Amino acid sequence: DGGITQSPKYLFRKEGQNVTLSCEQNLNHDAMYWYRQDPGQGLRLIYYSQIVNDFQKGDIAEGYSVSREKKESFPLTVTSAQKNPTAFYLCASSIIGASGRETQYFGPGTRLLVL
Amino acid sequence: KQEVTQIPAALSVPEGENLVLNCSFTDSAIYNLQWFRQDPGKGLTSLLLIQSSQREQTSGRLNASLDKSSGRSTLYIAASQPGDSATYLCAVIPGRAAGNKLTFGGGTRVLVKP
Repeated sequence: DGGITQSPKYLFRKEGQNVTLSCEQNLNHDAMYWYRQDPGQGLRLIYYSQIVNDFQKGDIAEGYSVSREKKESFPLTVTSAQKNPTAFYLCASSIIGASGRETQYFGPGTRLLVL
Repeated sequence: KQEVTQIPAALSVPEGENLVLNCSFTDSAIYNLQWFRQDPGKGLTSLLLIQSSQREQTSGRLNASLDKSSGRSTLYIAASQPGDSATYLCAVIPGRAAGNKLTFGGGTRVLVKP
């Protein structure tokens, strides 16, 4: 079954703790993205990566970190520096084609809650 | 900086009525515009993608129009059904900047009453 998987579905973070959200894709897509969605709002880009071992900050990267050691994996770490981490986190991937602006495919999301 | 707005934020209609969802953007220099559906607590499903050179796209009961000069797109859903209840998001990809960075609107939450 091809697609994007995110785990866990729900994640609880204690004060001062770092937590890591997993995103895996078997679509052989080059590019991967992390978005944050707050209640009643659209998605905001946190980080994106167009190739292995390379990634760029999005609009709201502060308090987050990523790595891209493998093509199929793009984990997101929410650090203790992120003061308001409660949100729904969505991962996406796309091919890199001639236009450089191909459709993104989204995972099912991880809801992060602070204890 | 591109800003995308969707009004209204929520909409409730009786089954069978046509739905009209609006999306406006401040910078008309877009590469394409995409409409997504999001069910509660789930990821996004792409519905329609309109290239900047196109004026509309159709898929089944869905029709999306694009007027770049006025910075507007409209998603029409004909003969709505309770299964159409979801949040609908529009997103644009800028024409000038490199890369595949989507800018999203806040979404319109739709409830279709049986």
